[in-house]
Amino acid sequence: QKEVEQNSGPLSVPEGAIASLNCTYSDRVSQSFFWYRQYSGKSPELIMSIYSNGDKEDGRFTAQLNKASQYVSLLIRDSQPSDSATYLCAGRNFNKFYFGSGTKLNVKP
Amino acid sequence: SAVISQKPSRDICQRGTSLTIQCQVDSQVTMMFWYRQQPGQSLTLIATANQGSEATYESGFVIDKFPISRPNLTFSTLTVSNMSPEDSSIYLCSVYTGGETQYFGPGTRLLVL
Repeated sequence: QKEVEQNSGPLSVPEGAIASLNCTYSDRVSQSFFWYRQYSGKSPELIMSIYSNGDKEDGRFTAQLNKASQYVSLLIRDSQPSDSATYLCAGRNFNKFYFGSGTKLNVKP
Repeated sequence: SAVISQKPSRDICQRGTSLTIQCQVDSQVTMMFWYRQQPGQSLTLIATANQGSEATYESGFVIDKFPISRPNLTFSTLTVSNMSPEDSSIYLCSVYTGGETQYFGPGTRLLVL
């Protein structure tokens, strides 16, 4: 099992809908979790981090962490075409980082 | 977060040659990493650049092919040696300041003919 796993997609949602991105992780990843957004041809940029169980909201983005089930999710409300990108889930254990393979999101106007 | 620059931003190289990529950070950072991202793929960690000592390479990557230097806490280089078309990729420098998470440089887009 890879340390962090994501569905590669693509996930297609209509503009204005909620996009739900999911990620599972192994026992090797324990401390904190991150969502990066990567536009085509660009480098990843951090959009959310979460450390404890529950939800964390930042504008249209909500990160959810469930340590018992070992999954992390990212909800994007009121999805916009500009949200179309690949979303990378990552986890950290001390100084070691683990990245998922990314989920491609398409938001259709 | 740190401000990271990479040079060159892109290059086209001939098979058998070498290219050195530079990564500069605007502040001292604990750790620097080098990643490769092949077209349509996710990130693959090449190595951790250690200040004052040899880099720590991940499985499948060797120093002869990807020599790395880190002379101080704000600068690192990655050389891609004896290139082949399979080395065509985006090479990303990232930094970890001991705080939240890694931050990535803008990347170097390499095409090997």
